[in-house]
Amino acid sequence: GQQLNQSPQSMFIQEGEDVSMNCTSSSIFNTWLWYKQDPGEGPVLLIALYKAGELTSNGRLTAQFGITRKDSFLNISASIPSDVGIYFCAGQFSSGTYKYIFGTGTRLKVLA
Amino acid sequence: DGGITQSPKYLFRKEGQNVTLSCEQNLNHDAMYWYRQDPGQGLRLIYYSQIVNDFQKGDIAEGYSVSREKKESFPLTVTSAQKNPTAFYLCATARGRGGTEAFFGQGTRLTVV
Repeated sequence: GQQLNQSPQSMFIQEGEDVSMNCTSSSIFNTWLWYKQDPGEGPVLLIALYKAGELTSNGRLTAQFGITRKDSFLNISASIPSDVGIYFCAGQFSSGTYKYIFGTGTRLKVLA
Repeated sequence: DGGITQSPKYLFRKEGQNVTLSCEQNLNHDAMYWYRQDPGQGLRLIYYSQIVNDFQKGDIAEGYSVSREKKESFPLTVTSAQKNPTAFYLCATARGRGGTEAFFGQGTRLTVV
C-alpha cells in the first residue's frame, strides 16, 4: 500500500527545544495535512496546507507546503510535555479520487 | 453536537466470526473512509466512499466489506477471511472534493480472541 516517507521515525527532546519533522512523496499532492494522535485516540487535525510554498502557523506549530508539491515540513517551537504523541502527515491527491495517503508517523517524546 | 461517532470503542471477536464496526457522522460530509492502524505503524486505507451507494477499495481491502446506504453511515464488516484482524480501526470523513481536510472518529480497537 501507499504510504508517505516521514522522518524522523521518533525523537526524544528536552522541554523547550524546537522540533522539526518532514514528509516526502514521489507523488504530487494538492493538499497536505498534519495530525497529532494520542494513544488510543483518533488523529486530530493540526494544520492544513493548500498551496505550494504556503507557510501556515497554529500557535507554536508551523507547517510548510513544499514548492515541488512532493513534501511538507512541520516545526514545533518551545516544546512542552503535552506535545508528546505521534505526528502524521497526510497528502491528498489531485487526481479526482480525493484519497488521503498517510505518513508512517513521527513519535515525539518530550523530557521535562 | 457535530462529529464522527465510532462504536464500540473496544470489540472482541472470536476467530471465524464476522463483526461490524459502526461509523456515523452528522457533518454532512460526502466522503467517508476506513483506515487500519497497527501498533507503531501509520494508517492504511481499507475502503472509501465519495457518494452514497458507491465505494472503492483502498490498499488493504481483502477480508473487509462496506456499505454506504446513507450519507451519514459507513459501516465496516471485518469478515472471517481477514487473516489478521486485530488492529485499531479509524473512520474519517471529508467534504469529498479536492483541497479539503479529513476528520477522524475516536477509533475502534478490535481484538480477536
